[in-house]
Amino acid sequence: QVQLQESGPGLVKPSQTLSLTCTVSGGSISNGGHYWSWIRQHPGKGLEWIGYIYYSGTTYDNPSLKSRLTISVDTSKNQFSLKLSSVTAADTAVYYCASLTYYERAFDMWGQGTVVTVSS
Amino acid sequence: DIQMTQSPSSVSASVGDRVTITCRASQGISSWLAWYQQKPGEAPKLLIYTASSLQSGVPSRFSGSGSGTDFTLTISSLQPEDFATYYCQQANTFPYTFGQGTKLEIK
Repeated sequence: QVQLQESGPGLVKPSQTLSLTCTVSGGSISNGGHYWSWIRQHPGKGLEWIGYIYYSGTTYDNPSLKSRLTISVDTSKNQFSLKLSSVTAADTAVYYCASLTYYERAFDMWGQGTVVTVSS
Repeated sequence: DIQMTQSPSSVSASVGDRVTITCRASQGISSWLAWYQQKPGEAPKLLIYTASSLQSGVPSRFSGSGSGTDFTLTISSLQPEDFATYYCQQANTFPYTFGQGTKLEIK
């Protein structure tokens, strides 16, 4: 069974870059059929799709974050990563990695989530 | 972006009740709609995709319907483990967007 696990710093200073990695286990990230995604949830709020990467390197970035966002993939490590630059307190959230199914267009597997706080 | 509006924002119900949650899209999304359940401190869990398809392993008391702009999630007979927050998500147009959530509480 495929599992996803986020890792990275829980505290980031304002204006710095938030960096998270998602490790996929129990299956290959290079198997077609899934877009590897990042989603965040602000405290007590709803869900916001950040973007995705396919194993080939094709990406989609949410336009609301596009200028600050980089999503990358390392197939040799079965990982994909998120970098969000110039963070502010508004980027404080729980960050989830998830798989978006190619045909059903739904997020079928999720990591447990990691809390990232932006504060000096 | 397509706006997804859920109603009600919260609902109180009892074990055994039938509950319906509504999701409305700001423009037509065909049947590209998914429903998720989220419990406190946990990641969302996929329940329904393409408006009415039940995700593997999800109990059959959950069902979804609708197309175009109006969709519903129905729980036919509430169980104690169903008290949670439910989200809809459109998958017709980038960026995919979620509703604001409906909190289902115990009466």
